[in-house]
Amino acid sequence: NAGVTQTPKFQVLKTGQSMTLQCAQDMNHEYMSWYRQDPGMGLRLIHYSVGAGITDQGEVPNGYNVSRSTTEDFPLRLLSAAPSQTSVYFCASSLGQGSYEQYFGPGTRLTVT
Amino acid sequence: SQKIEQNSEALNIQEGKTATLTCNYTNYSPAYLQWYRQDPGRGPVFLLLIRENEKEKRKERLKVTFDTTLKQSLFHITASQPADSATYLCALDGAGGGADGLTFGKGTHLIIQP
Repeated sequence: NAGVTQTPKFQVLKTGQSMTLQCAQDMNHEYMSWYRQDPGMGLRLIHYSVGAGITDQGEVPNGYNVSRSTTEDFPLRLLSAAPSQTSVYFCASSLGQGSYEQYFGPGTRLTVT
Repeated sequence: SQKIEQNSEALNIQEGKTATLTCNYTNYSPAYLQWYRQDPGRGPVFLLLIRENEKEKRKERLKVTFDTTLKQSLFHITASQPADSATYLCALDGAGGGADGLTFGKGTHLIIQP
């Protein structure tokens, strides 16, 4: 199994540009989520999904959109990038009921200038 | 709102000794608590999960305790090795019972000195 994969690994955007961070998992996990990690702030939940077709907001959802059309994929869209969105983004997945340990991807380092 | 506190200062431990990391939380009663390891430039890796009705959990050289009265978890690494040097994160289940993601502490940077 490849586990959780994320692309790209690095990205530089100009303010106002949009882009999609890709996340895929091959473990047939129902639950997927996106976190951002900033120095001194720790990991913060952006959006999450409990299954295909179901998404919800986390702690810091503003400026981001998600969709979950398949069990495997959970892309994160930045609608109009801002310097405040400069961060490292991690996608994670977990099994359903009874087991909640999260499997994280390698991360995407995003810089918005 | 939930608040999770981990020692923000780096913890320096001599090789072979036991490293003990602390995770305190307020304004919440989680059903379970998790510990993760994160190396520079990598995503967190799950280590241990302990439920509210469990006092202690062990895995090889790792031990986690969970005191719901004190609202504290302790994470121990016995016979520590330089390879154990990393940032360790504690995380609590979210308000939705865990399915909606975790709330993470900021992590403690552990350095094992040879």
